[in-house]
Amino acid sequence: NAGVTQTPKFQVLKTGQSMTLQCAQDMNHNSMYWYRQDPGMGLRLIYYSASEGTTDKGEVPNGYNVSRLNKREFSLRLESAAPSQTSVYFCASSEISGGPSSGANVLTFGAGSRLTVL
Amino acid sequence: AQSVTQLDSHVSVSEGTPVLLRCNYSSSYSPSLFWYVQHPNKGLQLLLKYTSAATLVKGINGFEAEFKKSETSFHLTKPSAHMSDAAEYFCVVRGLTGGGNKLTFGTGTQLKVEL
Repeated sequence: NAGVTQTPKFQVLKTGQSMTLQCAQDMNHNSMYWYRQDPGMGLRLIYYSASEGTTDKGEVPNGYNVSRLNKREFSLRLESAAPSQTSVYFCASSEISGGPSSGANVLTFGAGSRLTVL
Repeated sequence: AQSVTQLDSHVSVSEGTPVLLRCNYSSSYSPSLFWYVQHPNKGLQLLLKYTSAATLVKGINGFEAEFKKSETSFHLTKPSAHMSDAAEYFCVVRGLTGGGNKLTFGTGTQLKVEL
């Protein structure tokens, strides 16, 4: 019953360094998401993958890239980290049932990855 | 466009007293609405959801919320607060956009429960 697993939980980077946040889910969900959480701003969507093989930009995609490696895994990459990317990052997944006008797209979240860019 | 406003960034209650966390939304279409809870250093967990069925929705841990279309509100309530309820709560709206479904998160309400 792992659900959504994110690694690493904590990371400190210097400006300009690169890193990849890993996310894996074991619920056979179709959709996966990367959010960032900043104080007073709620969660903002960076990228999402509605199904295996597809990825799309969210609200704040600049400075990030993603890869939907397979149905289970969805990684987030920072190619050249900036202090503005200091945040807590959450991966989530969902099983979209019914059509867009029915059902509830309930998200299951990982525990978060706290990233500090100096 | 859709949006969600959580009217209080911080709420403080005494243990055993009622909890009210307020949420207003705007959406061009019939929305789905959710409340999530986040305990310190944890991910978000679904409390309850509204998806155009009964307007009074019951969730986990004694929480409930009422969808009021005329007031565009989806306030979260609990009759009696417990210390373990101290957490941050997020109201979320899901509606249709040109690109399909979109989830919009509120900025969160920090609930403090005092003895």
